Amino acid sequence: EAGVAQSPRYKIIEKRQSVAFWCNPISGHATLYWYQQILGQGPKLLIQFQNNGVVDDSQLPKDRFSAERLKGVDSTLKIQPAKLEDSAVYLCASSSPRTGGARKETQYFGPGTRLLVL
Amino acid sequence: ILNVEQSPQSLHVQEGDSTNFTCSFPSSNFYALHWYRWETAKSPEALFVMTLNGDEKKKGRISATLNTKEGYSYLYIKGSQPEDSATYLCAAYNFNKFYFGSGTKLNVKP
Repeated sequence: EAGVAQSPRYKIIEKRQSVAFWCNPISGHATLYWYQQILGQGPKLLIQFQNNGVVDDSQLPKDRFSAERLKGVDSTLKIQPAKLEDSAVYLCASSSPRTGGARKETQYFGPGTRLLVL
Repeated sequence: ILNVEQSPQSLHVQEGDSTNFTCSFPSSNFYALHWYRWETAKSPEALFVMTLNGDEKKKGRISATLNTKEGYSYLYIKGSQPEDSATYLCAAYNFNKFYFGSGTKLNVKP
């Protein structure tokens, strides 16, 4: 099966500009996650979707970040305006319910988008 | 927020050496522990998911153990090869979320 697709792979922008990332999860996966991984730190969950509904966005900086998942498939994450501290890898992952419940769900990750804000 | 810690931050070993690293997490309200391997310029890849105290999982030369009472998991690599070079991430699942450690970056020299 095809994996999780993300684009672009790399992006360089200046502060105060806007940027958008796209994710196509594995077909049939109901849950989609966006993570931010800053150099030297572990991935931090920004937002989690179940189909096209938001399950958790408690760590999403809503004054500048937004995300949507139309029709419960593809998702976009937008930053507007970008700050220097937004430089990071943005990972998208998807998962599907399996025996054992959510705690055993394997997340399948895309290759990430590396964002550099100058 | 759950505090998940990994040690060491980085590790340099020679080809053929065996190595291990640690993931520590709060033992209360534990649900599951996931290990991932993340090679440069690739997608993080799931290695193991463990839920029960005493769980041991193995995949080729890589194995992992879990101690939920004391809140740690070990990842072992036997006879390291250059292709094992990657960042190894652990994530604790709790309160319906995954909490990641900062990873152990392994470099295996030929």
